[in-house]
Formats: sequence, C-alpha cells, structure tokens
Amino acid sequence: DVKVTQSSRYLVKRTGEKVFLECVQDMDHENMFWYRQDPGLGLRLIYFSYDVKMKEKGDIPEGYSVSREKKERFSLILESASTNQTSMYLCASSFLGQGPHQPQHFGDGTRLSIL
Amino acid sequence: DAKTTQPPSMDCAEGRAANLPCNHSTISGNEYVYWYRQIHSQGPQYIIHGLKNNETNEMASLIITEDRKSSTLILPHATLRDTAVYYCIVRGGSGNTPLVFGKGTRLSVIA
Repeated sequence: DVKVTQSSRYLVKRTGEKVFLECVQDMDHENMFWYRQDPGLGLRLIYFSYDVKMKEKGDIPEGYSVSREKKERFSLILESASTNQTSMYLCASSFLGQGPHQPQHFGDGTRLSIL
Repeated sequence: DAKTTQPPSMDCAEGRAANLPCNHSTISGNEYVYWYRQIHSQGPQYIIHGLKNNETNEMASLIITEDRKSSTLILPHATLRDTAVYYCIVRGGSGNTPLVFGKGTRLSVIA
C-alpha cells in the first residue's frame, strides 16, 4: 500500500514564526502536492512538484514556499506564519505516468494553528 | 471550479448498497472520473477511477453512463465505517494535473 506520511498531526505556532511541514512518501512517486483545506472552501492547491528541485505554483502560493531536495520528501514552508494560515494541510503524491490516470494518494494531514 | 455536481447529503442503511450519483455533463473525451472519500479528521482516500467503462475494485464499483455525462459510485454493502464525504472529480491533463475538489456528498450510514 502507498504510504504518505506527514510529520505532525497537530501543530501550534506563533505569528511570525517560520514553520516547516514535512511529507514523505514511500512509493517512488514523481509528483508531490501540498493542499490546504478550510471549511466551506474545500481543498486548494498551494504548490506541487514533479521532480527533485522542481516546483510549480498552485492556486494559493502566497506566503508559502516549498523544497524538494529528495524524491521522497516534499516540504512546505510558511516563511512568516500568520493567523490566516491556520488550516488543515494535506500532502499527496502520485506517479507521473502518461495521461491523467494516476491517482493521488494523501497523507492524514497536519492541523496547524497559528496564534 | 469543480466540473461536477453532487447531492450535498445522503443516508443509507447499514448493509444496504449505497449509490452516490455525480453529474459531469461538460466532461471532455480525455478526462477521467475519480472518486475519493474523506473520513472525519483524515486525508482524502482514493476509491476508484474510470474513463468510459464500468470499473470495480475491492472497495466499490463505478458505473459511467454511455454518454459519460454522469456516473454512480456503488458501495455494495455499506458499513458504519463508510460514513464520510465522497468527492466525484473530473480530471484530464497529464499525470501531474492537480485534483480539483468540489463540496462532495456527505454519506451517513445508519445502523
């Protein structure tokens, strides 16, 4: 079975802190994604990566950056945390493959609170 | 915006088949239909996907109409653990095309 592991289930940080969220997958997937999920807004894509050191902006990249130094690990960085970044953060991964028929597999999420 | 329409909520008796409909009338030829579900406080879980043929796996069956404008996810014998929000997603592009989640259907399985 595919395993996508996020480093923390719950995290509390203070405004202005630099926050790192880590995600590791064990299936040699090329693609990795970061989403955030908020009530009433559903899942929104922040960034994704299709290869080591490659990254693409999603729909809401402002205030975030990412790092992919190794194929299995994709980090989301909040440069200076703000209260409006309080959310559930979800990591996903998939094979690159040909065409769109590569399902994404999700971790269990990190519920981040910024005080 | 999501390209699918789903009822906001449904109930199903435990042990019965749960049939979750999805309308995707603007689907194009190379787009797949995906189903995910999200149990409270967990990440979305992949269930099944298909292009035009009906599909079945150990979790569910996916029935796609011949014109591909709608589909139905079938959980053959619903259990209380199947209570979740179910998302129907239409996705084309390439392997790194992100998923676009709509509001989904909240399925409640009742004992």
